[in-house]
Amino acid sequence: AQSVAQPEDQVNVAEGNPLTVKCTYSVSGNPYLFWYVQYPNRGLQFLLKYITGDNLVKGSYGFEAEFNKSQTSFHLKKPSALVSDSALYFCAVRQTGFQKLVFGTGTRLLVSP
Amino acid sequence: DSGVTQTPKHLITATGQRVTLRCSPRSGDLSVYWYQQSLDQGLQFLIQYYNGEERAKGNILERFSAQQFPDLHSELNLSSLELGDSALYFCASSPSGGVGTGELFFGEGSRLTVL
Repeated sequence: AQSVAQPEDQVNVAEGNPLTVKCTYSVSGNPYLFWYVQYPNRGLQFLLKYITGDNLVKGSYGFEAEFNKSQTSFHLKKPSALVSDSALYFCAVRQTGFQKLVFGTGTRLLVSP
Repeated sequence: DSGVTQTPKHLITATGQRVTLRCSPRSGDLSVYWYQQSLDQGLQFLIQYYNGEERAKGNILERFSAQQFPDLHSELNLSSLELGDSALYFCASSPSGGVGTGELFFGEGSRLTVL
């Protein structure tokens, strides 16, 4: 069965510093990997996805993620954090041939001024 | 704005009652997904419909049911409600229902409180 792990409940970073939100996955076959962000009282918004190709994927709002097949990881990164990046971040995986997207438990990112 | 509309935004009801949550997908999207978000369970996939037919099923209780209508809007029916059903219920849509690689577009959710 496909699964996603986000080992950190919360990540704290100072504005201007780089940030990393970790995600590892488990699927059979090739994964489709996604990052979503949820702001307070809002639905989830798509940030970026990895399907195939270049292991470094660039997405919205300056975020990027690195796919590492050997470590089964898909960490979200941003070179310089903004206070407005503070939100709940979800990693998700979809297994080839399956319909549903399986989400991790979410990581709360707190960027301090 | 994702283009996915969910109503009602908030709902307070009592145990044992029945409620219906409604979702209108983005224009042209054929797939509708329902997710439940609670503090202790995270984001759980409930069910997917594609062009009116059930396509995938997740951790949906027997007290819950869903359907997708010919105009592609979907309803999630929750019955014999329990305190533990209190959660945020999200609808999402996507253009495809098959093995496409596209992302999901989420509505802003319906917050259900069972007292």
